[in-house]
Amino acid sequence: NAGVMQNPRHLVRRRGQEARLRCSPMKGHSHVYWYRQLPEEGLKFMVYLQKENIIDESGMPKERFSAEFPKEGPSILRIQQVVRGDSAAYFCASSQSMNTEAFFGQGTRLTVV
Amino acid sequence: DAKTTQPPSMDCAEGRAANLPCNHSTISGNEYVYWYRQIHSQGPQYIIHGLKNNETNEMASLIITEDRKSSTLILPHATLRDTAVYYCIVRDPYNNNDMRFGAGTRLTVKP
Repeated sequence: NAGVMQNPRHLVRRRGQEARLRCSPMKGHSHVYWYRQLPEEGLKFMVYLQKENIIDESGMPKERFSAEFPKEGPSILRIQQVVRGDSAAYFCASSQSMNTEAFFGQGTRLTVV
Repeated sequence: DAKTTQPPSMDCAEGRAANLPCNHSTISGNEYVYWYRQIHSQGPQYIIHGLKNNETNEMASLIITEDRKSSTLILPHATLRDTAVYYCIVRDPYNNNDMRFGAGTRLTVKP
């Protein structure tokens, strides 16, 4: 049973480009959480999604960031017009249901140059 | 954001038990206590969770006080590979279900 898969593991973008980060949850998991971690800082909650629905996006920046979790395929975190401050590790986690443990992927390291 | 308070750092001797405290004095009746750890910059690893009873698995034990305002994660025989940042979070599956992390405790296991 494969774990949570995130790709790419490393992503380099120039300022102004778009970054698309993908998260494939564990088999049978329909809940996905996205987090951002700046260097030497803690995990900051961004968004919580269930299949086709955004449940809580209170941690998402108001502009340039969006997330989706379609009926088929991985969850996508999209960052438009990236800036240097977007450089961070982005982690996703998935859980089977509301009250079961969530498991994390190994993250995508985004570097904006 | 986080509803928990943890000491910023702790040391533990290799082979000894590591006891990591967590304060969650505002915990509500539906909220579970979860523990995760993050080794270097890897993805956080799930350790254990509980509601009100003490829990044990192959990794650790979780002791929750009767009033549920605090808990302790116990690693019974710490090894050097247990050096990590340990996060205690509370999670209400019936109200948004989000998981918000605090700063955690940086545990250093020393030989």
